[in-house]
Amino acid sequence: RKEVEQDPGPFNVPEGATVAFNCTYSNSASQSFFWYRQDCRKEPKLLMSVYSSGNEDGRFTAQLNRASQYISLLIRDSKLSDSATYLCVVNKEDDYKLSFGAGTTVTVRA
Amino acid sequence: EAGVVQSPRYKIIEKKQPVAFWCNPISGHNTLYWYLQNLGQGPELLIRYENEEAVDDSQLPKDRFSAERLKGVDSTLKIQPAELGDSAVYLCASSLESPEARAYNEQFFGPGTRLTVL
Repeated sequence: RKEVEQDPGPFNVPEGATVAFNCTYSNSASQSFFWYRQDCRKEPKLLMSVYSSGNEDGRFTAQLNRASQYISLLIRDSKLSDSATYLCVVNKEDDYKLSFGAGTTVTVRA
Repeated sequence: EAGVVQSPRYKIIEKKQPVAFWCNPISGHNTLYWYLQNLGQGPELLIRYENEEAVDDSQLPKDRFSAERLKGVDSTLKIQPAELGDSAVYLCASSLESPEARAYNEQFFGPGTRLTVL
């Protein structure tokens, strides 16, 4: 079983729609959680960290469910520029090694 | 501020040939990572350096892969000989880490080197 699993999508949504997707992680010792964004043929970039209480960054909301070991990302009022692959990332306490999911592809259409 | 620089951006070689990738991390970043990313997959760590010391090379296929970071700044990753299955994007990342810090410090990725082995 992979350490981080994501629905690969693609999620095709119209502009202005809300899209949400999850990822699950297998290691209960995981302590830090992140969403990275990767545009086509570009490098991954940190989108946001995921905190236990949930957090928002503009149109993006991240949630963490430790009991069920999943993380979610919700994008409101989707823009064309949100089209990308979203990578779920986890790491363990005191371990700098990041475990990446394979990514969820989102395509926002006009 | 300049980001992580990698070269070359693209490389096409025939199998059994050697190839080398170069990375210049963000100035002041003490930790450097090499990742491999296959199509449709997330990056996978090959090796992590803290300054000039390789502190995690457990995922590096040492029979054909080697890496160095001699002065704790730039790094090179080499494959010799390359195999067809090595075709992938090789990403370099850097971060500023402290042994005392328990919080995660963001890793900044370079644009990668896209390797095609024919």
